Amino acid sequence: DTGVSQDPRHKITKRGQNVTFRCDPISEHNRLYWYRQTLGQGPEFLTYFQNEAQLEKSRLLSDRFSAERPKGSFSTLEIQRTEQGDSAMYLCASSNNNSPLHFGNGTRLTVT
Amino acid sequence: GNSVTQMEGPVTLSEEAFLTINCTYTATGYPSLFWYVQYPGEGLQLLLKATKADDKGSNKGFEATYRKETTSFHLEKGSVQVSDSAVYFCALDNYGQNFVFGPGTRLSVLP
Repeated sequence: DTGVSQDPRHKITKRGQNVTFRCDPISEHNRLYWYRQTLGQGPEFLTYFQNEAQLEKSRLLSDRFSAERPKGSFSTLEIQRTEQGDSAMYLCASSNNNSPLHFGNGTRLTVT
Repeated sequence: GNSVTQMEGPVTLSEEAFLTINCTYTATGYPSLFWYVQYPGEGLQLLLKATKADDKGSNKGFEATYRKETTSFHLEKGSVQVSDSAVYFCALDNYGQNFVFGPGTRLSVLP
């Protein structure tokens, strides 16, 4: 097992376009988290899944953001009608219950 | 709600100096506490953890002790190296609720 993988590594898009990111967690992990990180800041929680159920979503997350984990394995994060303020590193992490989070290398989004 | 506060950086030290990065938390119950490290150009990696009061987490010469009475989890290392230059994040996990991270402290170690 090679850890948490995220795709793509980088995404440049024009304002108003939709983007979708994918995360493949460590295979035996039942929890999957999405975070956003901007320069000089710590990871900001977006949402998390236990298996296929989305258990919590940040109140900071606008309706333009949606995440799915259809079969309890990989997850996708979609941002609709992107804005320049969405530019950030989007991090995915997975874990088993109370074990530490294992992070992927992130997807860097640039909205022009 | 749950929150984590860290000392502001950046912290600049000479090689072999003693390091302390302060971390305090607010949470109900008995959270697990973590330190993560992010080296330049890399993803976040777990550095150490402690799951109950008075536990000491340690790894790569770094240590942190879970102090419930002061709600703290300060990171220490006796002799830093240039290769320790990175951003360090304190974090907590409260019974599987979302992990909460501090803002990070950037450490630069000069030769």
